[in-house]
Amino acid sequence: DTGVSQDPRHKITKRGQNVTFRCDPISEHNRLYWYRQTLGQGPEFLTYFQNEAQLEKSRLLSDRFSAERPKGSFSTLEIQRTEQGDSAMYLCASSLAAGRGYTFGSGTRLTVV
Amino acid sequence: DQQVKQNSPSLSVQEGRISILNCDYTNSMFDYFLWYKKYPAEGPTFLISISSIKDKNEDGRFTVFLNKSAKHLSLHIVPSQPGDSAVYFCAASATLNNFNKFYFGSGTKLNVKP
Repeated sequence: DTGVSQDPRHKITKRGQNVTFRCDPISEHNRLYWYRQTLGQGPEFLTYFQNEAQLEKSRLLSDRFSAERPKGSFSTLEIQRTEQGDSAMYLCASSLAAGRGYTFGSGTRLTVV
Repeated sequence: DQQVKQNSPSLSVQEGRISILNCDYTNSMFDYFLWYKKYPAEGPTFLISISSIKDKNEDGRFTVFLNKSAKHLSLHIVPSQPGDSAVYFCAASATLNNFNKFYFGSGTKLNVKP
């Protein structure tokens, strides 16, 4: 059990560029979550997968954001036409069952310049 | 709308004393609560949880208290140690079908002085 892995750890991109982040959950966990954390705030829910099905998306997830989990294992989060307001820490988490705490990854820090 | 609030951005206590971190929520449907600890450059780490059917849960030096009528929970750390210095987030969830989506507070930065 290597925990939840996120790649890259840091990403600096120019406004208007597209970025993609990857999350590898704990292997036996069928639930995967994406959260976003901005400075001075707690994590905010973005989206949730159970296996490969995306079951809920937050209103925070605009049309420029898309997440996939094609085989029910790793997940990707893509942001198109990045804006400065997208600068944040993007956290991935996984869990085996509902009603229990998640295991978070270390996050991907995105800076849009 | 901030459904989970941590009104103290920071707390400083002396090593060996008790640390009390507070959290308030507004949604009466919340039925499961957690505390996470976060060190810089790391993701949040699960610390302790409590279900709404209980009013107290203890795990070693950490105890979480839930007051449903006041919509308030607190985390007690005793005795506090310098290694406890971190940001603590409370989180709450309402179980809908088989899915838990957590709402997080903005965190309290705890500093335990040696």
